Amino acid sequence: AQTVTQSQPEMSVQEAETVTLSCTYDTSENNYYLFWYKQPPSRQMILVIRQEAYKQQNATENRFSVNFQKAAKSFSLKISDSQLGDTAMYFCAFMKDGTASKLTFGTGTRLQVTL
Amino acid sequence: NAGVTQTPKFRILKIGQSMTLQCTQDMNHNYMYWYRQDPGMGLKLIYYSVGAGITDKGEVPNGYNVSRSTTEDFPLRLELAAPSQTSVYFCASSYPAGGHLNEQFFGPGTRLTVL
Repeated sequence: AQTVTQSQPEMSVQEAETVTLSCTYDTSENNYYLFWYKQPPSRQMILVIRQEAYKQQNATENRFSVNFQKAAKSFSLKISDSQLGDTAMYFCAFMKDGTASKLTFGTGTRLQVTL
Repeated sequence: NAGVTQTPKFRILKIGQSMTLQCTQDMNHNYMYWYRQDPGMGLKLIYYSVGAGITDKGEVPNGYNVSRSTTEDFPLRLELAAPSQTSVYFCASSYPAGGHLNEQFFGPGTRLTVL
């Protein structure tokens, strides 16, 4: 079974600064996908960014980028120019290819963006 | 498109009562999922379905039942509610690979308290 570990329960960053959230995972699979989801106080789960394991290039979505290290099984999320609206829980998730797209989630990192 | 809708938004049950959490999606997705999120934790998969008439257990299925008679609906049944089932329940849907990255779309969640 796959496991996803987020070792930072809480983090804080000042507005306009950059923050990196860590995620490691354990799998013996070669084909899989990795995701970062954002959960604001509204509880809605919002996809932030995704990465296919077979792609060496790190995914980028505007201010959000990842550092995907397949050999190290590491998938960190970098948020640049942090905004107050980035305050939320962030979940890292793993999806094994060909398994009905089931997600395995980490326990989350609570990010607080301050003035 | 309304996306994934869930009813009710909140519910309080007494120990031993039963209820059905409703989930509907209007995106014609084949795959649907039920997750639970306990306080301070990530989401855990309860049941999932890859199409009408097909359901399978996830990581934490005990105490729950599901059915999938149509593509759109995927109700979750709680029989004999217990305090351990106090949680926030999320329904999600996605479509199989075929050029897509199996993104899951989440409903707004149902907060259930069992007293």
